[in-house]
Amino acid sequence: EPEVTQTPSHQVTQMGQEVILRCVPISNHLYFYWYRQILGQKVEFLVSFYNNEISEKSEIFDDQFSVERPDGSNFTLKIRSTKLEDSAMYFCASGGDLDRGNTGELFFGEGSRLTVL
Amino acid sequence: AQSVTQLGSHVSVSEGALVLLRCNYSSSVPPYLFWYVQYPNQGLQLLLKYTTGATLVKGINGFEAEFKKSETSFHLTKPSAHMSDAAEYFCAVSRGSTLGRLYFGRGTQLTVWP
Repeated sequence: EPEVTQTPSHQVTQMGQEVILRCVPISNHLYFYWYRQILGQKVEFLVSFYNNEISEKSEIFDDQFSVERPDGSNFTLKIRSTKLEDSAMYFCASGGDLDRGNTGELFFGEGSRLTVL
Repeated sequence: AQSVTQLGSHVSVSEGALVLLRCNYSSSVPPYLFWYVQYPNQGLQLLLKYTTGATLVKGINGFEAEFKKSETSFHLTKPSAHMSDAAEYFCAVSRGSTLGRLYFGRGTQLTVWP
């Protein structure tokens, strides 16, 4: 069964360093998302991406964050200069099947845990 | 604005007992409502969703939920818990789209005792 894959599963970085989290969405999906969950808190929306551009972003997604779909298969989240409060589990999701239209479901990856020291 | 409140961060039931996980929502437009489950070391998996039409929706693994507009609730139930149901459950709402931004609750950890 197709699935969303994320790498790395866990990354530890020093404050101020750049981090890139990678996601391979399900092929044929048209909509891509990043969510995050700080330990003990809600899963929060960061950004959605459609037709090679950001379709919506939250107040969390400031200038330190960027997303890219560099090669038609990967979908990346870059944090330019990490802060302690960026420590969280980051989930990638995709949906909207090109062949079957809107199936009404988002498929989530297993998450990338980011620890900023 | 959209928001979700899940009552009870932890729920424990015995195997075979009724599972009831509570979810209340706030939405400025007719909501689309979702329940997701997360097993350890896995991603979020859709259990069921309500968009329009029948207010009682059935999902995978024997779960169902009922949309009650008057109570702004979307509680998740299962008549008989199984050990394999132990997981974290998240309720979510979106603004009338299955592909739009999701607003999640804090999650409820379900423990099933033998």
